Amino acid sequence: DIVMTQSPDSLAVSLGERATINCKSSQTVLYSANNNNYLAWYQQKAGQPPKLLIYWAYTRESGVPDRFRGYGSGTDFTLTISSLQAEDVAVYYCQQYFRTPPTFGQGTKVELK
Amino acid sequence: EVQLVESGGGLVQRGGSLRLSCAASGFTFTTYYMSWLRQTPGKGLEWVANIKQDGSEKYYVDSVKGRFNISRDNAKNTVFLHMQSLRAEDTAVYYCARDRSSWRYWGQGTLVTVSS
Repeated sequence: DIVMTQSPDSLAVSLGERATINCKSSQTVLYSANNNNYLAWYQQKAGQPPKLLIYWAYTRESGVPDRFRGYGSGTDFTLTISSLQAEDVAVYYCQQYFRTPPTFGQGTKVELK
Repeated sequence: EVQLVESGGGLVQRGGSLRLSCAASGFTFTTYYMSWLRQTPGKGLEWVANIKQDGSEKYYVDSVKGRFNISRDNAKNTVFLHMQSLRAEDTAVYYCARDRSSWRYWGQGTLVTVSS
């Protein structure tokens, strides 16, 4: 199975500041035939199911604010929130869908400083 | 509007069985894979199983193979997860989600608690 490892486990960021979450996969999730990275990011708020934010490593889901950006390729990925808002407090997960079983990172909790 | 509504969770003894249901609406059910995932405080998010549009292919995470069975009733727009030989480590919130391996739409989840 592909193991997804996120860092840090938690971070506290001031309103308007940047939050950066890293995700590393134990194997590449880049499919060379189509040059797509099979990597998604989710946001989960307390008491709610996860919400898809980004897929193909950097494509924002419809309606997701552009302060959320995905970067990276191969085995190393980053989610940045360029200017943290109060409503962004949540746990964020990366997930690979390159190989079965699809697997998630352990999550990164983003809090307000 | 896409809606996925899970039901069937509850408290069950170790070794027991339970059947989860997920009623889907707001999309053409027969054109999508459907999945079950689960979440625990300890293990986080875990994909459990998925099923092809016509039910001809099913895939499972290793930890539930031989114990869980995913099925669907396309006439009723419903997907099921039949769980047997339940273990304490199966305790989780179970989510139904649309699609095969990345998920735009999720249900609200149903809690399964396996008591020892």
